[in-house]
Amino acid sequence: DTEVTQTPKHLVMGMTNKKSLKCEQHMGHRAMYWYKQKAKKPPELMFVYSYEKLSINESVPSRFSPECPNSSLLNLHLHALQPEDSALYLCASSLPKGENTEAFFGQGTRLTVV
Amino acid sequence: AQSVTQLGSHVSVSEGALVLLRCNYSSSVPPYLFWYVQYPNQGLQLLLKYTSAATLVKGINGFEAEFKKSETSFHLTKPSAHMSDAAEYFCAVSEWGGSNYKLTFGKGTLLTVNP
Repeated sequence: DTEVTQTPKHLVMGMTNKKSLKCEQHMGHRAMYWYKQKAKKPPELMFVYSYEKLSINESVPSRFSPECPNSSLLNLHLHALQPEDSALYLCASSLPKGENTEAFFGQGTRLTVV
Repeated sequence: AQSVTQLGSHVSVSEGALVLLRCNYSSSVPPYLFWYVQYPNQGLQLLLKYTSAATLVKGINGFEAEFKKSETSFHLTKPSAHMSDAAEYFCAVSEWGGSNYKLTFGKGTLLTVNP
């Protein structure tokens, strides 16, 4: 199984809503990532978890709150988002060590904030 | 910080023609480089990666890339384009982020294939 599964595929939320994005992998990877991708732009790293601990936060606003409850799951909790947060949110996983290990990406969640 | 530069935001080729997508890196040490493809409304899929074992790297779907240290380049090629190759292609470099490795992507090149 080389899949990273993200749910939901699409999400529309109001600026006062609270929602969560979910990511799951069963490849035994101990590093998991959240990326944000705006239209016609490359993915931009938001967070990295290594062995279920937050290791990198790329100065992401606190309205985005990541959580890694176990080695297979990664969540992104959303609260009080702005319309400019509308984007494709990609989850990825990889082996935690080694600069030459590739990341496996999920299909993404298309988020629209209204 | 390491970075990659993709020359040409849009490349258009005819079906059956050579595909050449350019990527140059800036690194003072041997970099670890990757090419990913993204089809519309999809996630990213790894095409190939350079890990210093060989300068010519073969990937999936007939793509290959050659690492040239003298030119600081890692260009992606395919001898004969197919309609299904139409997608966005990203070159990426792996770098140490202080506590973990992370991928940094180039701006991407949109490949269109004309019949």
